[in-house]
Amino acid sequence: DGGITQSPKYLFRKEGQNVTLSCEQNLNHDAMYWYRQDPGQGLRLIYYSQIVNDFQKGDIAEGYSVSREKKESFPLTVTSAQKNPTAFYLCASSPREGRRTYEQYFGPGTRLTVT
Amino acid sequence: AQKVTQAQTEISVVEKEDVTLDCVYETRDTTYYLFWYKQPPSGELVFLIRRNSFDEQNEISGRYSWNFQKSTSSFNFTITASQVVDSAVYFCALSGGAGGTSYGKLTFGQGTILTVHP
Repeated sequence: DGGITQSPKYLFRKEGQNVTLSCEQNLNHDAMYWYRQDPGQGLRLIYYSQIVNDFQKGDIAEGYSVSREKKESFPLTVTSAQKNPTAFYLCASSPREGRRTYEQYFGPGTRLTVT
Repeated sequence: AQKVTQAQTEISVVEKEDVTLDCVYETRDTTYYLFWYKQPPSGELVFLIRRNSFDEQNEISGRYSWNFQKSTSSFNFTITASQVVDSAVYFCALSGGAGGTSYGKLTFGQGTILTVHP
């Protein structure tokens, strides 16, 4: 079955440590996205990538970094510079052509807790 | 800049009632796309519908229907004969079309928490 996988589902880290969240898709989508969701709020875009080896900052990129070396993978690193990293992180992907262009499909999310 | 506003933070209904979730948007793009997503307690967002700015035809899918009115910048979502399984957070979202500043980027509303009681 095609889909998006994020691992792990729950992640705990100590303050001051960098942590990398995994996102893998086998939908053959060109574009991939990372969002952050805080309790009672909508999703905010962190980074997105329209094509391999290229990515752009979203609305809240400070304290985060990404890479896009493979079409299937778009890992997100939450660095120690992120002041309030505890949140629910969602990865998404979308095709860039065809009938489903612009439709973003989401993974199950990773809930990160930093203490 | 794009903006999406969902008027209701929380809605509570009894099973079999109809319920409408409101969504109002702002954009300067001439071509744009509107979406609704459902987020059940598991957390994963489930895609429900995409509507193109140049297509104002309303759509019905089973118990779900969507009313897009460009004149009022609204894209409302109605669930007919609600069921307990409809309980979730529902998000309205907006994306700019190709050539626009918000191309491929989703701007989400704050979400509406829908609780359907048996």
